[in-house]
Amino acid sequence: AQKITQTQPGMFVQEKEAVTLDCTYDTSDPSYGLFWYKQPSSGEMIFLIYQGSYDQQNATEGRYSLNFQKARKSANLVISASQLGDSAMYFCAMEENQGGKLIFGQGTELSVKP
Amino acid sequence: DTGVSQDPRHKITKRGQNVTFRCDPISEHNRLYWYRQTLGQGPEFLTYFQNEAQLEKSRLLSDRFSAERPKGSFSTLEIQRTEQGDSAMYLCASSLLQEEQYFGPGTRLTVT
Repeated sequence: AQKITQTQPGMFVQEKEAVTLDCTYDTSDPSYGLFWYKQPSSGEMIFLIYQGSYDQQNATEGRYSLNFQKARKSANLVISASQLGDSAMYFCAMEENQGGKLIFGQGTELSVKP
Repeated sequence: DTGVSQDPRHKITKRGQNVTFRCDPISEHNRLYWYRQTLGQGPEFLTYFQNEAQLEKSRLLSDRFSAERPKGSFSTLEIQRTEQGDSAMYLCASSLLQEEQYFGPGTRLTVT
């Protein structure tokens, strides 16, 4: 069963505006971690941000923040002040019970327009 | 550069041939992971090691696939008798225990 769902295959945003990329997850484990990765056209996966299931506050890393709504099982990525270099594929991923492996969603392709 | 490195970056092989990929993790990382990514999809987990012990293997990892991490440092992924369906990007990642994973640039395999 698919455990990470990213419903937006593609998104467009104007440069300098904020954008939200959606991610929902499904797990029965009380302990899990949620990750966002960026994959530019070069192919390398770049770690952006992490949210633990027991974290009380939403994670932030520079222009990236994670809107974590545990009851709704959603972990949306918010990118503020978009830049042209943000154009890439973005993947949401989950790790259950500190088990090591990541389960990835299908990804969202973000295009930033000048 | 002290990131995760993978070799080769590209590999073209004929169906039925064997191929081997290498991954060098970040030096202090004790966990090493292999994923496979096909076009338009997210990466799929194949297997991972903690030090030299292989702790989990996906059902995706058929008998033709084998991975090793003999001294708990670099790892190799071998595919025997390659098939066209093996064409994909093979990604390696490493981490400290229960920390975020850092990925290498990947090895793109094309089976003709």
